[in-house]
Amino acid sequence: NAGVTQTPKFQVLKTGQSMTLQCAQDMNHNSMYWYRQDPGMGLRLIYYSASEGTTDKGEVPNGYNVSRLNKREFSLRLESAAPSQTSVYFCASSPRTDTQKLFFGSGTQLSVL
Amino acid sequence: SQQGEEDPQALSIQEGENATMNCSYKTSINNLQWYRQNSGRGLVHLILIRSNEREKHSGRLRVTLDTSKKSSSLLITASRAADTASYFCATDRGSTLGRLYFGRGTQLTVWP
Repeated sequence: NAGVTQTPKFQVLKTGQSMTLQCAQDMNHNSMYWYRQDPGMGLRLIYYSASEGTTDKGEVPNGYNVSRLNKREFSLRLESAAPSQTSVYFCASSPRTDTQKLFFGSGTQLSVL
Repeated sequence: SQQGEEDPQALSIQEGENATMNCSYKTSINNLQWYRQNSGRGLVHLILIRSNEREKHSGRLRVTLDTSKKSSSLLITASRAADTASYFCATDRGSTLGRLYFGRGTQLTVWP
């Protein structure tokens, strides 16, 4: 049982490049989330999807877009990467919004030069 | 802005000792959760305490919640080297939309 799988694990981009972070869960969860973690800042919510077909902004959505492709997959896209987006990105899922217990992937370390 | 503020930022103890971490928050909540993060890994859920609960236990973990003071504590009894990790509290700010707001975390080091 893989749980929440994120790809890639590491990525280096140049300023202005674009890329998509992939996330898939095999637990049949309804809700999925994207967080970023910066040193000394804890985790901050970028976007979330309460259920298939819906997405909403979190605390720090600027510079990102998301797609809830189906119930399993939730991708995060950086259209024009900036050095300020250097961070560790975590995808998480939850059975439903009122449960709120999150299951996390192992993260993507992104560096933007 | 950070919802939870963990205290202390770092804690260093010997195996067998108890470790206590605190969390303060600013808004009303439905529940408060604690997560652990080992170095280079994702977060793992430890325990959830609802706003109408005052104390909860899970194995060597004990969590308390004081809604009047907007604070929570996580106690790990008889710590082991394997407990070395960062510990985060997270709250929902009273929302049922599934968004969680995390604090900056406490780095716990347990020495053998």
